[in-house]
Amino acid sequence: DTGVSQNPRHKITKRGQNVTFRCDPISEHNRLYWYRQTLGQGPEFLTYFQNEAQLEKSRLLSDRFSAERPKGSFSTLEIQRTEQGDSAMYLCASTAGQAVYTDTQYFGPGTRLTVL
Amino acid sequence: GNSVTQMEGPVTLSEEAFLTINCTYTATGYPSLFWYVQYPGEGLQLLLKATKADDKGSNKGFEATYRKETTSFHLEKGSVQVSDSAVYFCALSPPGSSNTGKLIFGQGTTLQVKP
Repeated sequence: DTGVSQNPRHKITKRGQNVTFRCDPISEHNRLYWYRQTLGQGPEFLTYFQNEAQLEKSRLLSDRFSAERPKGSFSTLEIQRTEQGDSAMYLCASTAGQAVYTDTQYFGPGTRLTVL
Repeated sequence: GNSVTQMEGPVTLSEEAFLTINCTYTATGYPSLFWYVQYPGEGLQLLLKATKADDKGSNKGFEATYRKETTSFHLEKGSVQVSDSAVYFCALSPPGSSNTGKLIFGQGTTLQVKP
């Protein structure tokens, strides 16, 4: 396994710009999660994919956020019209299996977004 | 709702000291409980987990026991090393057919171990 990868690792943007992050899960992991982590806090759940289907979205995911997972492989998270409050670390995690709430999630290194 | 509360840090210990990081939770039913660790400059990785009441998770000398009666999952290690310096996160995953396995995290506890 090469692990979960995320790109870019760092992104600096100006307020109002759009940004897109990519997550490549561990090969054959059918379940994928996005989380957001702000400084000094634990990660907060954003959204969940099972294969290509987006099955849950947090209320944190405003209409400026959109996530996709075409063909059930990599996933993208786009933020439109970024705001300074969007500055955070965006984490992706993947796992496999059907047990769901007992499974271990494997995290990527994250993408750190800074909105100026 | 579901939530996790951890003791505030930072926790500063000398090498070979005993470690306890407290974690309590609120949940409906019997969630799975996890400890994740984030070493400096690295991503989150699973340290240990327990999926039912009275289970003990263990790894790398760390242990935690799932206590339903006190809704707790405290992390312990008998003798810490400098290399254990990291941020530790307690998390739960709610049970139920409508749940997706998402994790709910505590705010994290920073551990600093001095030689």
